[in-house]
Amino acid sequence: EDQVTQSPEALRLQEGESSSLNCSYTVSGLRGLFWYRQDPGKGPEFLFTLYSAGEEKEKERLKATLTKKESFLHITAPKPEDSATYLCAVQPRTGGGNKLTFGTGTQLKVEL
Amino acid sequence: DVKVTQSSRYLVKRTGEKVFLECVQDMDHENMFWYRQDPGLGLRLIYFSYDVKMKEKGDIPEGYSVSREKKERFSLILESASTNQTSMYLCATSGTVKNIQYFGAGTRLSVL
Repeated sequence: EDQVTQSPEALRLQEGESSSLNCSYTVSGLRGLFWYRQDPGKGPEFLFTLYSAGEEKEKERLKATLTKKESFLHITAPKPEDSATYLCAVQPRTGGGNKLTFGTGTQLKVEL
Repeated sequence: DVKVTQSSRYLVKRTGEKVFLECVQDMDHENMFWYRQDPGLGLRLIYFSYDVKMKEKGDIPEGYSVSREKKERFSLILESASTNQTSMYLCATSGTVKNIQYFGAGTRLSVL
């Protein structure tokens, strides 16, 4: 069974204080690993897809990396508007319908 | 931009009522999904559909059914609502090339 574990559950940073969020996964062959951002009361918003170990993707202050067992979302010099819950999900290579298995998320709060 | 529209943002129903949640997408995507999201449990897949009139059970289908009569519309039905179905319901769609799931804004359902 595919599993995704995210840590920490919650993270409080000062503005400008860089940090990383972790996503550990077990899957029977990885087709893709997805990062989403979710603001309170809204649906998740797509950030990145990573397909193979060693791959990296960047968007503004966010950088996602992937190994064979985990992914990191690095946040450089965060701002208050980066406050959100960050979700990680995996898609197995086999099995039907492009299903994703999600972690429970990391709730990030960036303070002034 | 992908647009996924859920018919209601907030819904209050009574125990035993039949409830319909509607989702419409404008991207001609083949795949559509219904999730529920609860604190500490993350997103859990209820049902998905990879084509018109096709449906597959997800991880927690009990107490729910779905309907997909047209490609752009995917409905979630609670035949007899119960209090343990109080939750945030999220609809998502994806194509067959990039497999990225795009989410609607969600419907917060309260069953009293």
